Amino acid sequence: NAGVTQTPKFQVLKTGQSMTLQCAQDMNHNSMYWYRQDPGMGLRLIYYSASEGTTDKGEVPNGYNVSRLNKREFSLRLESAAPSQTSVYFCASSLRGGRGQETQYFGPGTRLLVL
Amino acid sequence: AQSVTQLGSHVSVSEGALVLLRCNYSSSVPPYLFWYVQYPNQGLQLLLKYTSAATLVKGINGFEAEFKKSETSFHLTKPSAHMSDAAEYFCAVTQPSGSARQLTFGSGTQLTVLP
Repeated sequence: NAGVTQTPKFQVLKTGQSMTLQCAQDMNHNSMYWYRQDPGMGLRLIYYSASEGTTDKGEVPNGYNVSRLNKREFSLRLESAAPSQTSVYFCASSLRGGRGQETQYFGPGTRLLVL
Repeated sequence: AQSVTQLGSHVSVSEGALVLLRCNYSSSVPPYLFWYVQYPNQGLQLLLKYTSAATLVKGINGFEAEFKKSETSFHLTKPSAHMSDAAEYFCAVTQPSGSARQLTFGSGTQLTVLP
């Protein structure tokens, strides 16, 4: 099992450009998450998907959109990138998502630099 | 509302010395608590979690943590540090009545192990 995979690993954008970050999991998990990690701030939830066909906003959703393409894949789109979106983006998944005690499994991250 | 505070953004220990990483939580009810580790250029990996069973929780790689309700703490310890323990460690909290998406992370502690 590859677990949670993310592409690309690194990306440089110019302000105003768009891009999509891809995430896939092969653990048959129902719930998937997108986080951003900024220095000194831990991880903050951008969007999550409790199950296939559903998505909802997290703590910091502005400037982002998501698509739960199928049970395996959950993509994050930046329509018009801004320097404030320079960050490391992590995708995660969990089995059901409905219980607070569930372990989340993380991908290796995408480092995004917006100039 | 829930939150976690990790005291010390950087901790240095000598190889073979005790590792102590501090985490205090704020929650209206006894929460679920997690410690995740992030090795350089990798995603987060679960070390251990407390879900209201035994207050002393043993995790992977020789780490353990003790839930102390009276002190609202969940400090992470390891008796003898190894060079491979150098990483960033995140404490996280959620509510028993909540869902996995409501996981709140601390700001992280970077552990350096000196030879």
